[in-house]
Amino acid sequence: SQTIHQWPATLVQPVGSPLSLECTVEGTSNPNLYWYRQAAGRGLQLLFYSVGIGQISSEVPQNLSASRPQDRQFILSSKKLLLSDSGFYLCAWSRGTGSLGREQYFGPGTRLTVT
Amino acid sequence: ILNVEQSPQSLHVQEGDSTNFTCSFPSSNFYALHWYRWETAKSPEALFVMTLNGDEKKKGRISATLNTKEGYSYLYIKGSQPEDSATYLCASYGGQNFVFGPGTRLSVLP
Repeated sequence: SQTIHQWPATLVQPVGSPLSLECTVEGTSNPNLYWYRQAAGRGLQLLFYSVGIGQISSEVPQNLSASRPQDRQFILSSKKLLLSDSGFYLCAWSRGTGSLGREQYFGPGTRLTVT
Repeated sequence: ILNVEQSPQSLHVQEGDSTNFTCSFPSSNFYALHWYRWETAKSPEALFVMTLNGDEKKKGRISATLNTKEGYSYLYIKGSQPEDSATYLCASYGGQNFVFGPGTRLSVLP
């Protein structure tokens, strides 16, 4: 069976500090990978998606970046956090070799508070 | 950029009541419509993925319909139970953009 892991579960970081959130998927190959953010009082916003190693598409301009160094690893980063980066970050995967419109499976999420 | 809307924003029903929510999305460049259930302290869980106009899907007491020509989907819950309490999200995929609605928060009172 497939599982998706995210860490850390919670994070409190000062403004201007760097960020690195990691997501890994087990039990599948060539998944499509996604990073979402839910800011306070807002819906889920797609930040990045990836259809393969080193292939990253950005949906929203921001001071965040994503990387996919391995097939089942997706990393969300920032060089300098802003207060507005606070939120709940979710990683998700869907079956690859085809459309991005397939059912997504979400990780447990990371609650980020920028102070 | 797609704009996906959901109504109502929140809903309180009594155990045993049936209920339904609406998701509206741009009908142009439509590819797929997803419904997810997001319970507190858990991750969103997929309920349905629908692609064809007129699609109807069912999982237990929950069902959904899709109208791609007019850009809406309905989610129905028959005989609501307290464990149905959650936020129900719809998401529209238009071939390039994946956009979630703000969700409908359902509370089922025992």
